[in-house]
Amino acid sequence: DAGVIQSPRHEVTEMGQEVTLRCKPISGHNSLFWYRQTMMRGLELLIYFNNNVPIDDSGMPEDRFSAKMPNASFSTLKIQPSEPRDSAVYFCASRPDRVSPLHFGNGTRLTVT
Amino acid sequence: KQEVTQIPAALSVPEGENLVLNCSFTDSAIYNLQWFRQDPGKGLTSLLLIQSSQREQTSGRLNASLDKSSGRSTLYIAASQPGDSATYLCAVSPGAQKLVFGQGTRLTINP
Repeated sequence: DAGVIQSPRHEVTEMGQEVTLRCKPISGHNSLFWYRQTMMRGLELLIYFNNNVPIDDSGMPEDRFSAKMPNASFSTLKIQPSEPRDSAVYFCASRPDRVSPLHFGNGTRLTVT
Repeated sequence: KQEVTQIPAALSVPEGENLVLNCSFTDSAIYNLQWFRQDPGKGLTSLLLIQSSQREQTSGRLNASLDKSSGRSTLYIAASQPGDSATYLCAVSPGAQKLVFGQGTRLTINP
């Protein structure tokens, strides 16, 4: 199993640009999570999906952030327009059910200048 | 609101020592608790998962305990090795799908 796959690994963009982060969860995992990690705030849950349906997006900081999961094998997190304070490492994670461990991807390091 | 605290923030010990990492949470109504390891520039790797009905879990040199009533968990690492150097994070599941993470303990094992 290849694990949770995220792309790109690094993204550098200018303020105001649109950024799209991608995630492929582990096959058979019904839940998918997007987290953001910064030194100041640690790991914050942005949004999670069950069976491709968004369940809780209360962690999405602003309307500039949006996430989709068009099918069981793909999810995107979009930031439009991006701002310097969005600079962080964004992680995608998945698991098959509530009693199983969460599996993380290697993250996307986003830098907005 | 569930809050998770890990103390100390950093720990440095010589190789071979046994050590304990601490995690505390404010609301004892949790579904499960997980311990993760994070290496620099990498994602998180799940080490141990303890369901709310369990008291402990063991994997190799690692043992995690859970005391829901006091809102505490410990991760015990036996015979530490330099390869154990990483940041260790504790996360609780407050009944729903989401996990709430602590800030982590950065562990350094000195050869």
